[in-house]
Amino acid sequence: ETVLTQSPATLSLSPGERATLSCRASQSVSSYLAWYQQKPGQAPRLLIDVASDRATGIPARFSGSGSGTDFTLTISSLEPEDFAIYYCQQRANWPLTFGGGTKVEIK
Amino acid sequence: EVQLEESGGTLVQPGGSLRLSCVTSGISFSRFAMSWVRQAPGKGLEWVSSISGGADNTYYTDSVRGRFSISRDHSKNTLYLQMDSLGASDTAIYYCTMSSAGYNCADWGRGTLVTVAS
Repeated sequence: ETVLTQSPATLSLSPGERATLSCRASQSVSSYLAWYQQKPGQAPRLLIDVASDRATGIPARFSGSGSGTDFTLTISSLEPEDFAIYYCQQRANWPLTFGGGTKVEIK
Repeated sequence: EVQLEESGGTLVQPGGSLRLSCVTSGISFSRFAMSWVRQAPGKGLEWVSSISGGADNTYYTDSVRGRFSISRDHSKNTLYLQMDSLGASDTAIYYCTMSSAGYNCADWGRGTLVTVAS
């Protein structure tokens, strides 16, 4: 099983600051890494697919990078609506797996 | 606009069975893979099962293999998850998802809550 380790577990930042979230895979997932955002009481939403492709309607302040085992989600300037939990997911290997999540909270 | 609506979640006793449904609209149903993802109370996301667009390939996480069965009915644009031998660890919100490429989770339903308790 491909284990995805997200860090940090919690990120405390202020609106306008830059957020950098990490996702590390226990084996290569090539570029088959996605990022999701989940707000309380809501279903997750796809932000980024295949490491760096923004999903439809996702603002340009969200960007993804990486390949192989190390990936990064960057939010260039946090908006109030960006405070949420972010999950990475790989679909290169069965079983599909999610990371444990990074909570981005208001400082 | 793609819409996914789950139903079937309820309180069930340990050892019981349940069938979840997910009705879709706004998309060519048979083109895309679909998946079930669950989230236990206060926990993270866990992939449960996936099925290819043509329903010829199915996949399961180890903890549900042999107990859960995923299927789809193209005539009804509906995805199913048959869950047997349910245990407390199956308590979660179950989300239906549809892919846009491979087995990603591009679109999500609102989820349906399954509670396994006596």
